[in-house]
Amino acid sequence: NAGVTQTPKFRILKIGQSMTLQCTQDMNHNYMYWYRQDPGMGLKLIYYSVGAGITDKGEVPNGYNVSRSTTEDFPLRLELAAPSQTSVYFCASSWGQGGNTEAFFGQGTRLTVV
Amino acid sequence: LAKTTQPISMDSYEGQEVNITCSHNNIATNDYITWYQQFPSQGPRFIIQGYKTKVTNEVASLFIPADRKSSTLSLPRVSLSDTAVYYCLVGDADKIIFGKGTRLHILP
Repeated sequence: NAGVTQTPKFRILKIGQSMTLQCTQDMNHNYMYWYRQDPGMGLKLIYYSVGAGITDKGEVPNGYNVSRSTTEDFPLRLELAAPSQTSVYFCASSWGQGGNTEAFFGQGTRLTVV
Repeated sequence: LAKTTQPISMDSYEGQEVNITCSHNNIATNDYITWYQQFPSQGPRFIIQGYKTKVTNEVASLFIPADRKSSTLSLPRVSLSDTAVYYCLVGDADKIIFGKGTRLHILP
């Protein structure tokens, strides 16, 4: 099993550009999450999903969009990149309610907006 | 908002036992307590989870008193490779909310 796979690993964007961060998991988990982590800080929840077709906002959703058309995939979309979105982005999945089950994390996407 | 409080940082020496205590005064009846470890430039990794009393696995032990308002992660005989950030979380329904974590620095 590959677990949680994120692509790309690194990306540099110019201000105003858009991009999609890809996340896929092969564990048939219902729950999926997107986080951002700024240098020296903890993880902040951007969006999460409890199953295909269902998404909800986390702590810091502004400037991002998500979709969940399949159980496996949970892409994160940045429409108009801003320097404040420079961060490391982590995707995660869990089989049950995230707060009470083990979550598996991807290796992260390091995004720089210039 | 994270529902836990833990020390910002701790130092210890190789070979010592390290105990990190987490406070979660408002823990709900159905909440579990979960600890994650994060190395630089990596995603968090699950360490241990418990509901009450004591849980032990090959990596750590988790002690939870009867009132469940706190918990202690115990790392036996730490090595330099245990230098990492450790996060204590309590159940938050469908979400996983991280606090600031404890930055553990192991010295030779």
